[in-house]
Amino acid sequence: DGGITQSPKYLFRKEGQNVTLSCEQNLNHDAMYWYRQDPGQGLRLIYYSQIVNDFQKGDIAEGYSVSREKKESFPLTVTSAQKNPTAFYLCASNSVSSYNEQFFGPGTRLTVL
Amino acid sequence: AQKITQTQPGMFVQEKEAVTLDCTYDTSDPSYGLFWYKQPSSGEMIFLIYQGSYDQQNATEGRYSLNFQKARKSANLVISASQLGDSAMYFCAMRGAQGAQKLVFGQGTRLTINP
Repeated sequence: DGGITQSPKYLFRKEGQNVTLSCEQNLNHDAMYWYRQDPGQGLRLIYYSQIVNDFQKGDIAEGYSVSREKKESFPLTVTSAQKNPTAFYLCASNSVSSYNEQFFGPGTRLTVL
Repeated sequence: AQKITQTQPGMFVQEKEAVTLDCTYDTSDPSYGLFWYKQPSSGEMIFLIYQGSYDQQNATEGRYSLNFQKARKSANLVISASQLGDSAMYFCAMRGAQGAQKLVFGQGTRLTINP
């Protein structure tokens, strides 16, 4: 089955620790995205990548970092510089030749204690 | 800058009735796309329907249709014959023509279907 996987589903970390969220897709999509969702809110873009070894900041990139070493993978690191990291994180992808749908993974709920 | 506005924080509808979820947008791009997603309590984002700015007809997907009024910059989602399983958060989103297909989301509307 093709799709996007995110792991883990729930993640707990102590304040001050860096944590990396996994996102993998087997859809052969070129573009991948990371969004953050706070309770009762819409999604906000953190980072996106249209091609391997290249990525751009979204609207709320401060305190986050990403890498895109493989087409299938786009991990997100939440650093200790992120002041309020507790949130629901969603990864998405799409083909750059298809403009009418963006697929989402199941999400990771991060709680910083 | 692009902006999506969803003015209905919550909607309550009787089962089998039709429901309209409002969405207005603002953009200076002549070419753009509008999306609706459903988010159940499990958290995943489920794609429902897409409308391109140059599409001549309103998009339809099963029980979902998009009432696209370009001059008014509105893209309302209509769900016909609502079902209990339609209870969820619904998000309107927009992508612009420039650069990647990064989406801008509205705040969402929580739809509750009553039996």
